[in-house]
Amino acid sequence: EAGVAQSPRYKIIEKRQSVAFWCNPISGHATLYWYQQILGQGPKLLIQFQNNGVVDDSQLPKDRFSAERLKGVDSTLKIQPAKLEDSAVYLCASSPGPGTEAFFGQGTRLTVV
Amino acid sequence: DQQVKQNSPSLSVQEGRISILNCDYTNSMFDYFLWYKKYPAEGPTFLISISSIKDKNEDGRFTVFLNKSAKHLSLHIVPSQPGDSAVYFCAAKAGGFKTIFGAGTRLFVKA
Repeated sequence: EAGVAQSPRYKIIEKRQSVAFWCNPISGHATLYWYQQILGQGPKLLIQFQNNGVVDDSQLPKDRFSAERLKGVDSTLKIQPAKLEDSAVYLCASSPGPGTEAFFGQGTRLTVV
Repeated sequence: DQQVKQNSPSLSVQEGRISILNCDYTNSMFDYFLWYKKYPAEGPTFLISISSIKDKNEDGRFTVFLNKSAKHLSLHIVPSQPGDSAVYFCAAKAGGFKTIFGAGTRLFVKA
């Protein structure tokens, strides 16, 4: 079974630039998550989708971050404009449903300079 | 707000001995607890979980203990192997709400 796929693996941008990350979840998984993991901290949920609807985006900085999950499958997370404090690993995860454990992708390491 | 706390940033254990990783939580509404393991440059992988209606769950070398009165859980690895060296995250959730992760404990298993 293929795992959660994310791209790119690494990205370096200057502050105030924009960046987008892509995620392809495990086939059939209805729930998709985007997490932000800052160095030395645990993953923090940014947004959770159930199919193509948003379940929780309470910790998403909506003035600069946006995410979508078209057709309830792939998802993109965008940051515009980026700030230095956005430097982190962005993890995508999926699960069959909201009450089950999540399967994580390898993450995208973003460095904002 | 740190609802899930892993107070030990790192732990070093000799191969073959027991590793005990600890986790404390503050939200009494949490009813499901998970442990994830993370190797460098990889995403976290699910290891073991426990429901709040239980106080112990065992899977091979891994056992999770839950003490609800103390709001404390622990992960025991017996015997520890060098391949267990990784960062371990404790996580908790309440019903269908989001999963809250601790900051992680880095385990070193020395051969």
